[in-house]
Amino acid sequence: EAQVTQNPRYLITVTGKKLTVTCSQNMNHEYMSWYRQDPGLGLRQIYYSMNVEVTDKGDVPEGYKVSRKEKRNFPLILESPSPNQTSLYFCASSLGQGGHNEQFFGPGTRLTVL
Amino acid sequence: AQSVSQHNHHVILSEAASLELGCNYSYGGTVNLFWYVQYPGQHLQLLLKYFSGDPLVKGIKGFEAEFIKSKFSFNLRKPSVQWSDTAEYFCAVNAPMGGYQKVTFGTGTKLQVIP
Repeated sequence: EAQVTQNPRYLITVTGKKLTVTCSQNMNHEYMSWYRQDPGLGLRQIYYSMNVEVTDKGDVPEGYKVSRKEKRNFPLILESPSPNQTSLYFCASSLGQGGHNEQFFGPGTRLTVL
Repeated sequence: AQSVSQHNHHVILSEAASLELGCNYSYGGTVNLFWYVQYPGQHLQLLLKYFSGDPLVKGIKGFEAEFIKSKFSFNLRKPSVQWSDTAEYFCAVNAPMGGYQKVTFGTGTKLQVIP
């Protein structure tokens, strides 16, 4: 089954404790992206990747890192999480960056930073 | 910078009522437009998309949307909603910006359908 998976689905952590949220897709998609969803703000892009070893900042990259060492994986790293990073995070992938390509979303990771 | 506006933040309808959710974007060039739906507790799924051709596009579950270029709008419609349409709906625009394609989402509209 074609899908985007994320782990963990739920995470409660404390300020400053490094964490990684994994994202994997099995559709051989080139383009992958991370979003955070906050009430009243919709989805905001954190980082995106156009292919292996090619990543760039989205609209709200502060406090986050990403890597793309393999085509299928695109982990999101919070080196020193803070309470304002409490949010619902979605990973997404698409065939390419072409404008008509729809994005396929993972199930989401709800992160709480105390 | 491109932006997407969804003016209706929360809509409550009775079953069988007609639905129209507004979406306006700010970008003067060629755009690709999407509507995604997020059912409670689930991830976003594509409802429909427009990138060229007939400006009236049909999607899944009886939804349709009309692209009106002169109004920079891509409103979502459904003639008769069902309780199962209760969800949050996001409009998104994909347009060239600075040499790459940028996707921008609206803030979403929560639809509550009352049986």
